[in-house]
Amino acid sequence: GAVVSQHPSRVICKSGTSVKIECRSLDFQATTMFWYRQFPKQSLMLMATSNEGSKATYEQGVEKDKFLINHASLTLSTLTVTSAHPEDSSFYICSARGSLAGGTDTQYFGPGTRLTVL
Amino acid sequence: AQTVTQSQPEMSVQEAETVTLSCTYDTSESDYYLFWYKQPPSRQMILVIRQEAYKQQNATENRFSVNFQKAAKSFSLKISDSQLGDAAMYFCAQGSNTGNQFYFGTGTSLTVIP
Repeated sequence: GAVVSQHPSRVICKSGTSVKIECRSLDFQATTMFWYRQFPKQSLMLMATSNEGSKATYEQGVEKDKFLINHASLTLSTLTVTSAHPEDSSFYICSARGSLAGGTDTQYFGPGTRLTVL
Repeated sequence: AQTVTQSQPEMSVQEAETVTLSCTYDTSESDYYLFWYKQPPSRQMILVIRQEAYKQQNATENRFSVNFQKAAKSFSLKISDSQLGDAAMYFCAQGSNTGNQFYFGTGTSLTVIP
């Protein structure tokens, strides 16, 4: 079964509005969560790394004021796209680093969120 | 700079046959691990197989196995008895065991021919 959930799976919004995406680790506590962006037929581009209780670390070229990340607990991280514009339309994927019972440390991915900005 | 390279953008295999997907990486770390992830049309990233760099034995998971050549920094994935459900994008990735660094390759699109 899924170990990382992401909500919503799809969202359509008007230009200028803000959108919040939630990422939850279901079966383990994740001290570190990651946010990726993926364009069609391309690889995942890391946007930021978030650690519980501290500020996120953003990759070069990613606007931290536009993509707000909050890692409020060991099982929840949120990505808020502020004042969204059509060029922000993309597929956003979160992942959580941790280990299931008896397992090894691994990155588990959420199912992704398709954001469309009109 | 740490990089992961997948030199085959597309591959195809006949159903029930075997296919090997290539991956090379470059890292200065000594403690790391390697992954193959599968991304089907649903776009859910699915962990296929994982290899600890300190382990010499190649990881296997049912029909999936790797050929890990540490000195050559090569980490290929072999899929045996290919099935239609294996059709997907496959991403090779390298992660740090001591930090949060995680690097993806550009992916290989695998087509399985019935």
